[in-house]
Amino acid sequence: GESVGLHLPTLSVQEGDNSIINCAYSNSASDYFIWYKQESGKGPQFIIDIRSNMDKRQGQRVTVLLNKTVKHLSLQIAATQPGDSAVYFCASRAGGSYIPTFGRGTSLIVHP
Amino acid sequence: DAEITQSPRHKITETGRQVTLACHQTWNHNNMFWYRQDLGHGLRLIHYSYGVQDTNKGEVSDGYSVSRSNTEDLPLTLESAASSQTSVYFCARLAGSYNEQFFGPGTRLTVL
Repeated sequence: GESVGLHLPTLSVQEGDNSIINCAYSNSASDYFIWYKQESGKGPQFIIDIRSNMDKRQGQRVTVLLNKTVKHLSLQIAATQPGDSAVYFCASRAGGSYIPTFGRGTSLIVHP
Repeated sequence: DAEITQSPRHKITETGRQVTLACHQTWNHNNMFWYRQDLGHGLRLIHYSYGVQDTNKGEVSDGYSVSRSNTEDLPLTLESAASSQTSVYFCARLAGSYNEQFFGPGTRLTVL
């Protein structure tokens, strides 16, 4: 089956810095990718997604990069703020399935 | 988010007891999912449903059951709770242009 993992379990940054969170996936048939943010005590919240026909997508202060050659995606957060402190995890989906495979998560800690 | 409600939000029970976790969605969406979230494992799929009277097993379905008698509700039942079922449980439905998972606030279950 597919596995989706994260390289770093914890990332500490200073307020104002840019943050980069990485994710690797194993299923080359994956064609849709999602980043979620999960604050303590809450459910995961959709941040941004990207389809496999793109290699970059930008949102408000966030950018997702997809490298299909090495099966890797990253989430970049610009000018990180204390409110960005949370667990971030990626998910990937293949074909017409509604069921993604989730990564384990990276805890982002933003120091004021 | 008020679109998916889960109850109770916290539950403590004893080994061997039957427990039912409620999930209610207000969007009349056909596709609903139950996940458990544990440290080191990320989100794992328990059961899912693509419509009324439809239920399917996920990767960690042993010891759990669901029923779908209407579109709005997908209750999750632990027939005989075990300590290994101590976890945070999330209900989800599909949302957005690409049918990403949209999560409820979660239920924290402790089995003593």
